[in-house]
Amino acid sequence: EAGVVQSPRYKIIEKKQPVAFWCNPISGHNTLYWYRQNLGQGPELLIRYENEEAVDDSQLPKDRFSAERLKGVDSTLKIQPAELGDSAVYLCASSLRQAQETQYFGPGTRLLVL
Amino acid sequence: SQQGEEDPQALSIQEGENATMNCSYKTSINNLQWYRQNSGRGLVHLILIRSNEREKHSGRLRVTLDTSKKSSSLLITASRAADTASYFCATDPLINTGGFKTIFGAGTRLFVKA
Repeated sequence: EAGVVQSPRYKIIEKKQPVAFWCNPISGHNTLYWYRQNLGQGPELLIRYENEEAVDDSQLPKDRFSAERLKGVDSTLKIQPAELGDSAVYLCASSLRQAQETQYFGPGTRLLVL
Repeated sequence: SQQGEEDPQALSIQEGENATMNCSYKTSINNLQWYRQNSGRGLVHLILIRSNEREKHSGRLRVTLDTSKKSSSLLITASRAADTASYFCATDPLINTGGFKTIFGAGTRLFVKA
């Protein structure tokens, strides 16, 4: 069974440019998470979806970050415009049902903003 | 704010020795999970322990949970060079909206010398 797929794996952009990350969760997983991980730190939850509904986006910087999960499957996370401080690894994870279940992580997208 | 905090921040041991990592948290939880992250990769789930459990085993891993002290420990016995990775604890405390939020600690970096 395929795991969580993310693309791209790496992205280098200049500040003020837009960037988008894509995630395909494990088939049948209703819950999808986006995390940001800074160097030397643990992942920080940005947004959690239950099917297509964003049930927790309290940590998402809404002035520049947006996310969507159409049809409750794939998800896209966008940053516009990117800032230097956005350089990090963006991880997507999915779980079978709701929070408190085992989460399965993708390999992440490593973003560098110059 | 950090819910889970791992201790020590870094640990270096010889192959064959045991490695113990600790996690402390602040608020009541329903379960606690441990994850491993190899350099440049996504997180891999190791073990989940529920608040009504005190100890759990999985192969060379042993996890304990003390809810009265709000702490957990992960023991890796007979360590191998392949165990070199960062280890994170994650909790799902209740949030004020009535839902749950997964919060990761900053991790313990384990280095096992061959």
